[in-house]
Amino acid sequence: DTAVSQTPKYLVTQMGNDKSIKCEQNLGHDTMYWYKQDSKKFLKIMFSYNNKELIINETVPNRFSPKSPDKAHLNLHINSLELGDSAVYFCASSSTTGSYEQYFGPGTRLTVT
Amino acid sequence: DQQVKQNSPSLSVQEGRISILNCDYTNSMFDYFLWYKKYPAEGPTFLISISSIKDKNEDGRFTVFLNKSAKHLSLHIVPSQPGDSAVYFCAARGAQKLVFGQGTRLTINP
Repeated sequence: DTAVSQTPKYLVTQMGNDKSIKCEQNLGHDTMYWYKQDSKKFLKIMFSYNNKELIINETVPNRFSPKSPDKAHLNLHINSLELGDSAVYFCASSSTTGSYEQYFGPGTRLTVT
Repeated sequence: DQQVKQNSPSLSVQEGRISILNCDYTNSMFDYFLWYKKYPAEGPTFLISISSIKDKNEDGRFTVFLNKSAKHLSLHIVPSQPGDSAVYFCAARGAQKLVFGQGTRLTINP
């Protein structure tokens, strides 16, 4: 059983399209995160949710909108995709907000052409 | 702008020897420092942590050292094994979030 799963694993799409990435965790954790690994390989936090409530919202274009239907799911919707959105997106979860032990999904490689 | 940096993109070590991975940070308000390990096509996994009030933490073959005056931490792996070949991310916790470095790719040669 995968602890944190993401779908799809790969996503290739054209500029201007809208796409979603789904994340689910079966660890019973209260907090979930989205990270972006950019071209320079830094992993940067985008959002965190605790029990469906937005806790952290970093400086991310408002084309990115997270949605948490329940505490086990955190989806990422991206509108009007741009070339610069190409990256690997990781979902993660932890038992509490700010816990340093986070459990990551396998990542979604998004390529915008 | 980057508060956590790993200046060596890659490191190659012979099996059985010591691997030393380095990390520098700028924010003195970080309270915990971590190392995560990442294999290809997988997400990072937590490896070891150290509180900002300590200078050393050991877990089996892995030891993390913290030098607060230099704002520097390092991860020592001894002895290095082929399964240690991976990308290692340094991270620091502050303001309820983790700030990651860009990773160092460690290759253990037989």
